[in-house]
Amino acid sequence: DTEVTQTPKHLVMGMTNKKSLKCEQHMGHRAMYWYKQKAKKPPELMFVYSYEKLSINESVPSRFSPECPNSSLLNLHLHALQPEDSALYLCASSQVGGTGGYEQYFGPGTRLTVT
Amino acid sequence: LAKTTQPISMDSYEGQEVNITCSHNNIATNDYITWYQQFPSQGPRFIIQGYKTKVTNEVASLFIPADRKSSTLSLPRVSLSDTAVYYCLVDSGATNKLIFGTGTLLAVQP
Repeated sequence: DTEVTQTPKHLVMGMTNKKSLKCEQHMGHRAMYWYKQKAKKPPELMFVYSYEKLSINESVPSRFSPECPNSSLLNLHLHALQPEDSALYLCASSQVGGTGGYEQYFGPGTRLTVT
Repeated sequence: LAKTTQPISMDSYEGQEVNITCSHNNIATNDYITWYQQFPSQGPRFIIQGYKTKVTNEVASLFIPADRKSSTLSLPRVSLSDTAVYYCLVDSGATNKLIFGTGTLLAVQP
């Protein structure tokens, strides 16, 4: 199974809502990533978990809160988002990581719209 | 910090070889170069990775000159299904950064 799954596929939320994005992989990978991608732009790294510990946090606003409950699951908790946070949120995993030349497997993403 | 740039778009015809370049002038000694393909509303998919010289797999080749300040992804005999955005990624173990290039939209016509 070389698949990374993400739920939900689409999410519309108001600026006062709290929601969570979920990501799951069963490849035995020990590194998991969150990226944000705006239209016609490359993915931007937000967070990296390595062996269930946060190893990279790219100065992301605190309204985004990552969580790695175990080696197969990654969550991104959202609270008090702004309309400019609307984007495609991608999850990825790799054998180990976050840097050092490891192939990343990406999920299909969650399309988030903040109203 | 490595700044990674690519041509915005390229056009090709079915059956042709396509070469897409990526410029990464500030690449560090320990950095790897990886290429990904992305279709609309999907996550990127790994194509090939290299550190220096030439790497080849069943779908592409990657050429990296000695100074490593650029790299070229070569797709042999493209088909319509290769129409996608192609990103290079500099994977910097030195600075703990993962930096995607600006992306190249490849349009393959019949």
